[in-house]
Amino acid sequence: QKEVEQDPGPLSVPEGAIVSLNCTYSNSAFQYFMWYRQYSRKGPELLMYTYSSGNKEDGRFTAQVDKSSKYISLFIRDSQPSDSATYLCAMTGGFKTIFGAGTRLFVKA
Amino acid sequence: EAGVTQFPSHSVIEKGQTVTLRCDPISGHDNLYWYRRVMGKEIKFLLHFVKESKQDESGMPNNRFLAERTGGTYSTLKVQPAELEDSGVYFCASSPSGRDNEQFFGPGTRLTVL
Repeated sequence: QKEVEQDPGPLSVPEGAIVSLNCTYSNSAFQYFMWYRQYSRKGPELLMYTYSSGNKEDGRFTAQVDKSSKYISLFIRDSQPSDSATYLCAMTGGFKTIFGAGTRLFVKA
Repeated sequence: EAGVTQFPSHSVIEKGQTVTLRCDPISGHDNLYWYRRVMGKEIKFLLHFVKESKQDESGMPNNRFLAERTGGTYSTLKVQPAELEDSGVYFCASSPSGRDNEQFFGPGTRLTVL
């Protein structure tokens, strides 16, 4: 079993839709939960991170962490075609960072 | 401010040859990380430098891989001799001291071993 599970998609939504991206994990030692966005042929770009449980909002993006369920989510409101990319969850607990496989998102105009 | 840079962007070599990848982190970042993404798989950790010291090299696949970070600035990752399974995209990332959760990634080096 992988430490971090993420559905690779692809996920296709119309412009303006609310997007929900999710990851589950098995290691309860993870403390920081990150979301990266990666465009084709580019390196991952840190969108936001959350420490422990709770919510964090940044513009159209909201990250949620539920440590009791070992489940994290990223919500994108009013999705735009420019949001089309691969979204990677990542986690660390003071040791090496573990990445999910990434979910490919397509936002259709 | 310049981001993380990697060189070359793409390398094609024959099995058995040697390749050296270079990473220049963001100025002032003590932490430097190497990752690899093999086609169809997730990004996997290779190793972590804090300044010039190897903090964690548990992800290095075998002794054909050698990473150095001279003077705590840029880093090199050498593969010698390269094998077919070494093909993939090698990413470098850096972060400020104590901020493993805020890693800035370079564009990656795409390595193809024929």
